[in-house]
Amino acid sequence: DAMVIQNPRYQVTQFGKPVTLSCSQTLNHNVMYWYQQKSSQAPKLLFHYYDKDFNNEADTPDNFQSRRPNTSFCFLDIRSPGLGDAAMYLCATSRVRGRIGNQPQHFGDGTRLSIL
Amino acid sequence: AQSVTQLDSHVSVSEGTPVLLRCNYSSSYSPSLFWYVQHPNKGLQLLLKYTSAATLVKGINGFEAEFKKSETSFHLTKPSAHMSDAAEYFCVVSSYNFNKFYFGSGTKLNVKP
Repeated sequence: DAMVIQNPRYQVTQFGKPVTLSCSQTLNHNVMYWYQQKSSQAPKLLFHYYDKDFNNEADTPDNFQSRRPNTSFCFLDIRSPGLGDAAMYLCATSRVRGRIGNQPQHFGDGTRLSIL
Repeated sequence: AQSVTQLDSHVSVSEGTPVLLRCNYSSSYSPSLFWYVQHPNKGLQLLLKYTSAATLVKGINGFEAEFKKSETSFHLTKPSAHMSDAAEYFCVVSSYNFNKFYFGSGTKLNVKP
C-alpha cells in the first residue's frame, strides 16, 4: 500500500545532541510537511516543501531545519534539542496542483522524541 | 484568513448512542474541509472530506458530516458510537491554494461502556 513512513517511531536523544528524523513516502506527492505535536494539542506546522521549494513558518525556531533530497524523502534536523522540543513529530504529504484535485493530507504514524 | 473552531474540547457518550462533534470555520473563499481522527501514539487518519461537491459527506467507520455554508459549520456525526471510536478528532480547513492546512484545537471523544 502507498503510504507515509516515519523512522524511528521513538527517538531518545540528549540535551543539545543533534538528531535527525526521517520520512519517506510512496504516494509520489509533491508537498511534504513537518508538524510538531505536543500532548493534547493540535499539530503545529513547522515547515513544508512544495516540490523543491522550502517554506518555513515564521515562528519555527532556527534550531529546526529540513532537507528534501528527492520527492520520496524528507528529513527533520534538530541541531541542539532542548527539553521543550520533546514532542511527537508528524510528517504528512499531499498532492497540490493549484485548486485541481483538492487532495487531503496523508500522515505518517509519527516519531516521538524524548530529550534526556 | 482561514481558521477553525472546535466547540468542545471533550465529548463523552455511551456506547450505542449518537456522536456529535462540532466544528465552525472561517474562510474568505469556498473552503475544503476535512475531519481526521488520531488514536494514541498514532498519526492522523482521514475520516472524510468536503470539496464543494455534495454537502452531506460520508466517511469511513460510519461517520458523516454536513457542510452548512450559512452557518459556517461542518459538524461530524455518527448514529451509534463504538468503543473503538474513542480518540481525538481534528477539524481542518485548507488554504486557498492547498499548500497549507489549518487545524482546530481537537475534540477528545470518550465512549463509555
